[in-house]
Amino acid sequence: SQQGEEDPQALSIQEGENATMNCSYKTSINNLQWYRQNSGRGLVHLILIRSNEREKHSGRLRVTLDTSKKSSSLLITASRAADTASYFCATDAGETSGSRLTFGEGTQLTVNP
Amino acid sequence: GAGVSQSPSNKVTEKGKDVELRCDPISGHTALYWYRQSLGQGLEFLIYFQGNSAPDKSGLPSDRFSAERTGGSVSTLTIQRTQQEDSAVYLCASSLLAGGGGELFFGEGSRLTVL
Repeated sequence: SQQGEEDPQALSIQEGENATMNCSYKTSINNLQWYRQNSGRGLVHLILIRSNEREKHSGRLRVTLDTSKKSSSLLITASRAADTASYFCATDAGETSGSRLTFGEGTQLTVNP
Repeated sequence: GAGVSQSPSNKVTEKGKDVELRCDPISGHTALYWYRQSLGQGLEFLIYFQGNSAPDKSGLPSDRFSAERTGGSVSTLTIQRTQQEDSAVYLCASSLLAGGGGELFFGEGSRLTVL
């Protein structure tokens, strides 16, 4: 079963609006990562947040992590049409070091110009 | 090369044939992953190599699937006696750090179609 689950599955917004995507996971983690995938391409890393961090920023991206609720959110501010892509969260299983990354099903974001 | 390279980019095969998919990771990266992605779906973990440790094969869906990583670098994913349900994009990724502590760099994938 998937460790991470994103919601919503699909999100459609207008350019300039903010987009928020959520990720929930089941087991304890060391790190949580967010990736982006343009249609037909490989995934590209966006941001990594450690379990002892609560919030992290990178340009127009803001990621929060709530380990008590086992959830994370990715906020994209002032969205652009070029932000249209699928977004995935990925988690490791915190009980062992060097454990593999497990991805969720992703959120398909469409930003309309 | 500068990034993770996968070949072939596209493979069409007949049911029952064997296929080999190749991944050239970024030089020096100790961790290498194989994932499978069906159309419009998330990534399904297949196998994970980390340095000289025994690989984590827990995601391989059947004994028709196998993978090796030679010399800690190039990896080959082999699917024997392919079935139509094996049709998917197979993604390879490498990372400098093991586990979830490092950023994964993905290749563009190998799209497999089994007729």
